[in-house]
Order: sequence, then structure tokens, then C-alpha cells
Amino acid sequence: GENVEQHPSTLSVQEGDSAVIKCTYSDSASNYFPWYKQELGKRPQLIIDIRSNVGEKKDQRIAVTLNKTAKHFSLHITETQPEDSAVYFCAASSTGGGNKLTFGTGTQLKVEL
Amino acid sequence: DSGVTQTPKHLITATGQRVTLRCSPRSGDLSVYWYQQSLDQGLQFLIQYYNGEERAKGNILERFSAQQFPDLHSELNLSSLELGDSALYFCASSVRGQGSVDEQFFGPGTRLTVL
Repeated sequence: GENVEQHPSTLSVQEGDSAVIKCTYSDSASNYFPWYKQELGKRPQLIIDIRSNVGEKKDQRIAVTLNKTAKHFSLHITETQPEDSAVYFCAASSTGGGNKLTFGTGTQLKVEL
Repeated sequence: DSGVTQTPKHLITATGQRVTLRCSPRSGDLSVYWYQQSLDQGLQFLIQYYNGEERAKGNILERFSAQQFPDLHSELNLSSLELGDSALYFCASSVRGQGSVDEQFFGPGTRLTVL
């Protein structure tokens, strides 16, 4: 089955700096890669996603890149703000797998003033 | 608010008991997914239903079962509860769930504590 690895497990940045979180996946059939933000005790919230026919996608301060050959994808947050502090999860899914999401282990992002 | 609702928000019970968690998907969504989030296992897929039929199964224990009703709401039944079943249980829904991959939107979760 699919296996998703995520790094780093914790990330501390200064407000205004950029943050990058990286994930790798194992199943070449995976074709959908969402990123979720989860605040303590709350539900995971979809912040951006990318499909396998696209190499990069951007939404304001957030961008995701996908390298299908290397089977890795990354989340980039620019101009970080304190409200960006949360746990971020990457995930992978494939049509053949019933669309179930296989999640990475999460990255605790802390944006310091 | 994602439009996905879950009840109850919190559940405290004893080992050996049985509980039922309920989920109502977003209006128009046909697929419901159940995930378990624990400190040591992270977010794990349990089971998916699409329009009333089981579509995919993850690492769901035999003590756990689920179903999706004609009105598309879903219930997750957990029986013979053990301490290790304590976790956050999330339900998510998506428009389709087969044929093409689409976004999944998560409900607020049910926090289960087994004492």
C-alpha cells in the first residue's frame, strides 16, 4: 500500500520568513496530493491540493510543488504569520485506492514573533 | 465550518463497552470516510462508503464496523472497547469517491475516551 513520509516533524521560523515542508510517497499510482492544516483539537482543514498532471500550484502565500519522477511534493508558505502556527499534514490518494487518503506524520509549525 | 457534522463531540466510556459515532456529510456528497487520529498512529484511514456501499477498507479492526444509510449519513460502531481505542475519530465527505479523486472535507470529530 501507499506510504507517505513527511519532514521535518517540527519547524520553527521567525515571522515573515518562509517555511517548507517536504513529503515523499511510494505508490506511483497516487495522483492527488492535498495538504491539511490542523489546529489543536480541531478538524484538519484543506489548504491546498495538487493533482499529478500539474507541477506547481499557488494560492496567495501558499504554494505546492510536485515532482512525479522523484515521488515527492512540498508545501511552501511565504511571509509566515503567527496564525500559520499549527500542524500540517500532507496526504496522497489514488483513484484506484477508493480515494482514501494516506497521511504523512505531520509537521508542527511554530511561527515566532 | 466544512458542512460535515459529527455527533457526539465527546464520548467517555469504559473498557468492554460499545459506542456509535454518527456523521452527516455535506449536502450533495455521496462518499463518507472515517479516520482515526491517535498520538502514536497519526491519522489513519478506516473505511469508506459511497452511496450506501462499502468502497474501501483500511486498517479497521474487526471490532469496528460502519454503515451508510439511504439518507447518506453514516455510523461507526466500536465494540469491546479497549484503552487503545481512545482517539479522535473524524468523518470526511466528498462529492464522488470513485472515478476521480476529489477533495475531502472533515467534520469536527468525536473525541473518544475509554477508561
